[in-house]
Amino acid sequence: EVQLVESGGGLVQPGESLRVSCVASGFTFSDYAMNWVRQAPGKGLEWVSYISSNSRAAFYAGSVKGRFTISRDNAQNSLYLQLNSLRAEDTAVYFCAREIVSGGGRSLDYWGQGTLVTVSS
Amino acid sequence: SDELTQPPSVSVSPGQTARITCSGDALASQYASWYQQKPGQAPLMVIYKHTERPSGIPERFSGSTSGTRVTLTISGVQAEDEADYYCQSAESSGTYRVFGTGTKVTVL
Repeated sequence: EVQLVESGGGLVQPGESLRVSCVASGFTFSDYAMNWVRQAPGKGLEWVSYISSNSRAAFYAGSVKGRFTISRDNAQNSLYLQLNSLRAEDTAVYFCAREIVSGGGRSLDYWGQGTLVTVSS
Repeated sequence: SDELTQPPSVSVSPGQTARITCSGDALASQYASWYQQKPGQAPLMVIYKHTERPSGIPERFSGSTSGTRVTLTISGVQAEDEADYYCQSAESSGTYRVFGTGTKVTVL
């Protein structure tokens, strides 16, 4: 059974940093690209970042580029998101999601339950 | 533009058909997926590659496409289908992923 479990969320002050993690099980983690998606309270889904299976490619949404860093450790079946210079508008539940590629289509077929990051003074 | 636009809400009676549209320039060249999200839960993929249904998703969920618009159709809507639905694709170069604005489906 595929499982993705996020952790590391919490309450931080504006300008501070936080690292959230996602541990995968039930599949060969190193075969799949991964994404982070966030959802602010009462709002829609927002794609945040992508990392390829071998870490050679990483992309970011414009709203977080230069502040957030995605990484992974395939030996530990783990995905990370380093959040720096946090702002109130970064407050959200952060989901990790596995990406599948099918005939050129890119979809997120499994999601974790999310970890809440709250940025407030 | 890489935005994906959805209607904010759709209301439907049980047993009827709900249609949710998603429009955006990227859809002319990139495949779309659809996700269902119930309160307090993670999103669940219900359609990928415009029209494909993952294993375990009921047959009443179907997808279609025409130009820069894709549509999620729920035939014979059930009370359990009440949820938020999001389309998702990639921007034209395929680098960035993008979600639609979301549609709340209410079963009357």
